[in-house]
Amino acid sequence: GAVVSQHPSWVICKSGTSVKIECRSLDFQATTMFWYRQFPKQSLMLMATSNEGSKATYEQGVEKDKFLINHASLTLSTLTVTSAHPEDSSFYICSASRVATEAFFGQGTRLTVV
Amino acid sequence: GQQLNQSPQSMFIQEGEDVSMNCTSSSIFNTWLWYKQDPGEGPVLLIALYKAGELTSNGRLTAQFGITRKDSFLNISASIPSDVGIYFCAGQNPGGSEKLVFGKGTKLTVNP
Repeated sequence: GAVVSQHPSWVICKSGTSVKIECRSLDFQATTMFWYRQFPKQSLMLMATSNEGSKATYEQGVEKDKFLINHASLTLSTLTVTSAHPEDSSFYICSASRVATEAFFGQGTRLTVV
Repeated sequence: GQQLNQSPQSMFIQEGEDVSMNCTSSSIFNTWLWYKQDPGEGPVLLIALYKAGELTSNGRLTAQFGITRKDSFLNISASIPSDVGIYFCAGQNPGGSEKLVFGKGTKLTVNP
C-alpha cells in the first residue's frame, strides 16, 4: 500500500512551547491530508482537513490558532501545536489519500507536554 | 454528526477461532474501510469496499459492504496471536468529501 510517513514518532515538550509534526506522502501526491487526535482507548477524532495551497478546514470545536496546519506541497503537511499545555498531550495521526477513497495513515506522534 | 455503531466493543477468543465484527450507520456511505491499529501505531488499511453488496477478501480476512449501504462486517478466519489489536471501521459518505467517519473500534484479544 501507499506510504505515509509521520515525524516525529514521539515528542516531549515543556508547557508553553510549540511543537511541529510532519506528515509526508512518500510515493504519491496528496492534495488533501487529514489530521486526527486519538485519546487512549478511543477512536480517531478528525481535527482538520489540510488542503494543498489553501487554508485548512477545521472541525467544530478545534482551535485553529492553536493547531496550525500548513500544506506547503503535494507531499507534505505540518501540524504545529502552539503554546502547548498538558491537556494537549495525545496521539496525533495524519492520513492521506492516494485516490479519493483509500486513506493511508502515518505512524502517529505521541505528544507529551510536561 | 454522523456516527458509526461498531460491535462488539471487545472480543476474547482462542487461537484458531473465527471472528466477526460489524458496523452500522443510520445514513448511507459510498465506501467502507476496515483498519487495524496496533498500540502506538497508526491504523493500517485492511480492506476497502466500494460497492453495495461487494464481498472482498484479503487472506484470512473477509469484509462485505451491506446492500443497504448502511452496514459492513469484517470476518477473520482461523485467528492467530498476531491478529491482536483494535479494528476500526470507517465510512466515507456521499458528496465528494474524502472525510471518514470512524467506528469506536473492536479490541481483539487472541489467546494462544
